[in-house]
Amino acid sequence: QVQLQESGPGLVKPSETLSLTCTVSGGSISGYYWSWIRQPPGKGLEWIGYIYYSGSTNYNPSLKSRVTISLETSKNQFSLKLSSVTAADTAVYYCAREETYYYDTSGYYNNYFEPWGQGTLVTVSS
Amino acid sequence: SSELTQDPAVSVALGQTVRITCQGDSLRNYYASWYQQKPGQAPVLVIYGKNNRPSGIPDRFSGSSSGNTASLTITGAQAEDEADYYCNSRDSSGNHVIFGGGTKLTVL
Repeated sequence: QVQLQESGPGLVKPSETLSLTCTVSGGSISGYYWSWIRQPPGKGLEWIGYIYYSGSTNYNPSLKSRVTISLETSKNQFSLKLSSVTAADTAVYYCAREETYYYDTSGYYNNYFEPWGQGTLVTVSS
Repeated sequence: SSELTQDPAVSVALGQTVRITCQGDSLRNYYASWYQQKPGQAPVLVIYGKNNRPSGIPDRFSGSSSGNTASLTITGAQAEDEADYYCNSRDSSGNHVIFGGGTKLTVL
């Protein structure tokens, strides 16, 4: 059973770079999309970006200028860097595996996230 | 389109049926996936695909889709179903992931 675990500092100073790592255990990184998703206190889920196992990435347009997601396949890890953070970046950060499908009988696609990491709270404060 | 719209809050009497909806242009090409989130916990997938439940999810949870609207139905809501529910899909380009704003379900 695949499990994900986020790790990294829980406190980051304003204007600095937030760095988190997600370790994948019980399975391989190959064949999937791997995402970072965050949730500010009391608010909804916000997708940050994903990296495909091939190394290609895509980011939320609202965060794109500040985000880098990278892969370390040999360690079964992927990482998030978010630069120039402010208090608005305070959130619980989750990593998650995404599966995508195309249903040729209906012509519909589907994507879903499973499993998720437990999440890690990152506070931006001086 | 890059938005999924959900009602902020819905309530249901214990044992009754409730439908939570999610609207967006992307849902004309994507089945929505649905997540349940309880306070202090990570989201849990409850519905994916046309109407599939992961192992361990009770069969009172079901999903459906029509036009630009996806629905999560809980038939015979239980007290433990009280939670926030989020829908998600990719946007119409297929390149970006989008989430609905979430619906807070109260079981009365």
